[in-house]
Amino acid sequence: QSALTQPASVSGSPGQSITISCTGTSSDVGGYNYVSWYQQHPGKAPKLMIYDVSTRPSGVSNRFSGSKSGNTASLTISGLQAEDEADYYCSSYTLSSTLGVFGGGTKLTVL
Amino acid sequence: QVQLVQSGAEVKKPGASVKVSCKASGYTFTSFGISWVRQAPGQGLEWMGWISAYNGYTDYAQNVQGRVTMTTDTSTSTAYMELRSLRSDDSAVYYCARRVGTYLAYYYMDVWGKGTTVTVSS
Repeated sequence: QSALTQPASVSGSPGQSITISCTGTSSDVGGYNYVSWYQQHPGKAPKLMIYDVSTRPSGVSNRFSGSKSGNTASLTISGLQAEDEADYYCSSYTLSSTLGVFGGGTKLTVL
Repeated sequence: QVQLVQSGAEVKKPGASVKVSCKASGYTFTSFGISWVRQAPGQGLEWMGWISAYNGYTDYAQNVQGRVTMTTDTSTSTAYMELRSLRSDDSAVYYCARRVGTYLAYYYMDVWGKGTTVTVSS
């Protein structure tokens, strides 16, 4: 059982927007602005897409955005493209460990 | 460019040990930590621990505590992860990643190696 809760799957059609949620507690997601999101295509290494809740690393499309409300962080992908089909993981700083915590991952299907 | 290059795939028997390397380039090695994360087939990401490349400080996940040792060689900018007493459920892809944060706080991992597949089978 993962420390952060994500939906197992989400789907959307090309051009649409989708949002993936990541729910934690006040000891991790809700208490600090250190939420990050990773994209992983099959057989590939994870790739950092968002850090510090809403900051995009250089080179990441502005179709990806992050936000947080209370104990839930969200990753929104607008203008869905076929290449966005992947697994997405959230991660956060946690008061109880220097390692941080992961969500269980969400499989995004582009219909 | 900043990159982490990991060693090749390994096949080990139960009870054996494996040592995976992760060579960094393109940045000052001692300015960041290295995290190790594994992923069993069809499963999510699982923390193994991290090491400070500055002074060797380590913090290991409870699930591998006592069986794992992480080290660095600053002369070659290489991090190592050794896992002992291997079991079949240690079969996974092992990733190293550059850790951004402080000693007490993990922020994120911005550069990842391509992964090393470790298969444990009799």
